[in-house]
Amino acid sequence: DAGITQSPRHKVTETGTPVTLRCHQTENHRYMYWYRQDPGHGLRLIHYSYGVKDTDKGEVSDGYSVSRSKTEDFLLTLESATSSQTSVYFCAISVPGTGGMDTQYFGPGTRLTVL
Amino acid sequence: AQSVAQPEDQVNVAEGNPLTVKCTYSVSGNPYLFWYVQYPNRGLQFLLKYITGDNLVKGSYGFEAEFNKSQTSFHLKKPSALVSDSALYFCAVRRPSTGGGNKLTFGTGTQLKVEL
Repeated sequence: DAGITQSPRHKVTETGTPVTLRCHQTENHRYMYWYRQDPGHGLRLIHYSYGVKDTDKGEVSDGYSVSRSKTEDFLLTLESATSSQTSVYFCAISVPGTGGMDTQYFGPGTRLTVL
Repeated sequence: AQSVAQPEDQVNVAEGNPLTVKCTYSVSGNPYLFWYVQYPNRGLQFLLKYITGDNLVKGSYGFEAEFNKSQTSFHLKKPSALVSDSALYFCAVRRPSTGGGNKLTFGTGTQLKVEL
């Protein structure tokens, strides 16, 4: 999985509680991403980071925040979890390639259930 | 804006037969195109990508994809399907740009089922 770990791998929580998911990479790549995967929607980008303390919103960022205090770690926080945030969350890194053509590689995912 | 369409939710094929998983895209400028595969309870695995050059791109596990600019398509193909190819396949696109976070837009996925 391209040196990417996610924790926890599974979590069940209750509506209204805060939740933090962690993504860790071993290779110090600049770009990191958080996606959610839902049936019928494919993968949708929540937030991404282009360096320490540099983050930006994706297409489904409402209800989520992120932080990146170290190159290797990218945290996703659900400030007050709702049932609509029940999903599988994937972290990805962007690995530079030839001709400036990066390729994204994905972590193993976190399955989050909000009751 | 950029978008990807995978018109088939599921594709069924017999083992040993050729397979095609369809993808069409919409993006301004020349596209960068990707295929990923996802096995049950796993993350996405990179299969292949198109940047420029030959329209036929070869990737992992015997897969290849054909870029067709006039039809804005990037169909995934394999000459002889295996039962172990059964998985969920995603097509993705991004614009070649100097900024914007190298963001990918994914299709909704196609479930490939290869039967004996």
